[in-house]
Amino acid sequence: QVQLQESGPGLVKPSQTLSLTCTVSGASVSTGGNAWSWIRQPPGKGLEWIGYIYYSGHTYQNPSLKSRVTISLDTSKNQFSLKMRSVTAADTAVYYCARGYGSGRMDVWGKGTTVSVSS
Amino acid sequence: DIQMTQSPSSLSTSIGDRVAITCQASQDIRNYLNWYQQRPGQAPKLLIYDASNLQTGVPSRFRGSGSGTNFSFTINSLQPEDIATYFCQQYNALPFTFGPGTKLDIK
Repeated sequence: QVQLQESGPGLVKPSQTLSLTCTVSGASVSTGGNAWSWIRQPPGKGLEWIGYIYYSGHTYQNPSLKSRVTISLDTSKNQFSLKMRSVTAADTAVYYCARGYGSGRMDVWGKGTTVSVSS
Repeated sequence: DIQMTQSPSSLSTSIGDRVAITCQASQDIRNYLNWYQQRPGQAPKLLIYDASNLQTGVPSRFRGSGSGTNFSFTINSLQPEDIATYFCQQYNALPFTFGPGTKLDIK
């Protein structure tokens, strides 16, 4: 059974960098065919796809987040990570990691982690 | 970006009702359309992929149809555990985008 678990600080100060990690169990992040995604949901709002990384290391970030986002893979730990620079209050959200079967069919999700941006 | 719209944005229903939700894409997305259920305080759960395929383990009362720009999602005989918000999502083009959601509640 594939499971994903997000981890990272729940509070980040404005202008600093948000760093989250997704630990995968029951599957290998280095197996071909899957894309590993980050998605976020501001309080009371809808879902925004942040970007993904493939087993090969190929990444795509949502242009709406400009160049603030980096997604990386750590195959030795079976994890993938999100870094978002220069955060503001608008980045306050629940952040989810998910497996994209093929690419965009997100069939397994983590439970989510709440990140608040505040001084 | 491909814009996704959903209708209605909210729906008051009764247990046993048939529920219908529509999703429209701003351009042709073929059948690259998924439906998710999100219960309060939980992560989204994939119900339907590629517009009409039922994800493994999902009850058969959930159905999806459509292609191109117009899609529909139905729940036959609504159950108490179906009270949730439902989102459509396209993956025909990057960036992937979600509809704004349809929230179901009980009359």
